[in-house]
Amino acid sequence: DAGVIQSPRHEVTEMGQEVTLRCKPISGHDYLFWYRQTMMRGLELLIYFNNNVPIDDSGMPEDRFSAKMPNASFSTLKIQPSEPRDSAVYFCASSSGTRVSGTDTQYFGPGTRLTVL
Amino acid sequence: AQTVTQSQPEMSVQEAETVTLSCTYDTSESDYYLFWYKQPPSRQMILVIRQEAYKQQNATENRFSVNFQKAAKSFSLKISDSQLGDAAMYFCAYRSANFGNEKLTFGTGTRLTIIP
Repeated sequence: DAGVIQSPRHEVTEMGQEVTLRCKPISGHDYLFWYRQTMMRGLELLIYFNNNVPIDDSGMPEDRFSAKMPNASFSTLKIQPSEPRDSAVYFCASSSGTRVSGTDTQYFGPGTRLTVL
Repeated sequence: AQTVTQSQPEMSVQEAETVTLSCTYDTSESDYYLFWYKQPPSRQMILVIRQEAYKQQNATENRFSVNFQKAAKSFSLKISDSQLGDAAMYFCAYRSANFGNEKLTFGTGTRLTIIP
């Protein structure tokens, strides 16, 4: 398996622009997670989906952030409008959630480094 | 809410020596999972080792082992025979065992340097 795939790997944009980050989970995984990593706040969960349905979005910072999962193999995280404080590395992760030992581990993608000028 | 604390922002070890990274956590739950993830300069998050709280036996994965002390809420990672490729940020993480609660809570990380 190719693992979790994220695109783009790097994104540089100007304040006020819309940013869309993309994620393809590992095939067969029914949980998908979006995390953000910053120096100030560390790694924090933004939102996660189960079978394409958002389960917990309490970590989404504000209404400028939205996430969708239209099907089992694709998810997007959108920021509109973007601000400099959104600069961070955004990770997507997926897992099977079956609780069989080892199979519910979250596997991370390579991340997208977002810079908002 | 659960919290995870890594009190060592940075650690260093001589190549081939052994190093232990500390992690403590706070929870009111009796069943949960604990993880160590490694983040090398490539920034990819890589699972190192996993421990189920209901298991008394400490998990091991080749040169990596943990010392899980449930009563003390401590979960340290021991790396034996350190190699240059072990240089990375190491994150301790907690997850509830309640089905459907999949959130990972991370510590702030420990940066490990390997001295040749």
